[in-house]
Amino acid sequence: GQQVMQIPQYQHVQEGEDFTTYCNSSTTLSNIQWYKQRPGGHPVFLIQLVKSGEVKKQKRLTFQFGEAKKNSSLHITATQTTDVGTYFCAGSTDSWGKLQFGAGTQVVVTP
Amino acid sequence: DGGITQSPKYLFRKEGQNVTLSCEQNLNHDAMYWYRQDPGQGLRLIYYSQIVNDFQKGDIAEGYSVSREKKESFPLTVTSAQKNPTAFYLCASSIRDLVGSSYNEQFFGPGTRLTVL
Repeated sequence: GQQVMQIPQYQHVQEGEDFTTYCNSSTTLSNIQWYKQRPGGHPVFLIQLVKSGEVKKQKRLTFQFGEAKKNSSLHITATQTTDVGTYFCAGSTDSWGKLQFGAGTQVVVTP
Repeated sequence: DGGITQSPKYLFRKEGQNVTLSCEQNLNHDAMYWYRQDPGQGLRLIYYSQIVNDFQKGDIAEGYSVSREKKESFPLTVTSAQKNPTAFYLCASSIRDLVGSSYNEQFFGPGTRLTVL
């Protein structure tokens, strides 16, 4: 079955530094979504990528979808304490809305 | 306010008892989903429904049951057959993209933390 792998599992970042989290699928995806879950909270949608090679930016966050539509990345520049949380990628291979979530990257920011 | 509500926030049950988790949405979304989240893990799909009176098994449906009698409601029953029911349960909904043939982003409820003693 479809599997979505996410690395790293944990990321300790000094405030102001950059970091990247990566997402890899065993199958070609129709789209990929990214979510953020704050500690004790629920996942909140960040962005959806649909096109091969697509790059989208949201302020300090840059999202990329691979050319083969099997991998994606999230890059955060100048990390802030508000970036703390777990970032999940979720891939879809059908039109039924089913998402396969990665295990997430837990981000801890040191002031 | 539009959104998804789940109740209760915390739930404690004795082993061997069935328990039903509530999920209600007033977003007029067609699709609804139930996920289970264990510590340090991603979300695993239990059941999903794209239309009233129809639902499909997800990746870990064993020991769970659902119903979709109304568009806005999608309750999940954790039965005594579920071997490790203690977890964080999340309900979500989404709307079908009018232009394409896919579904847009999922909106999540606040979740229910179930502890089986």
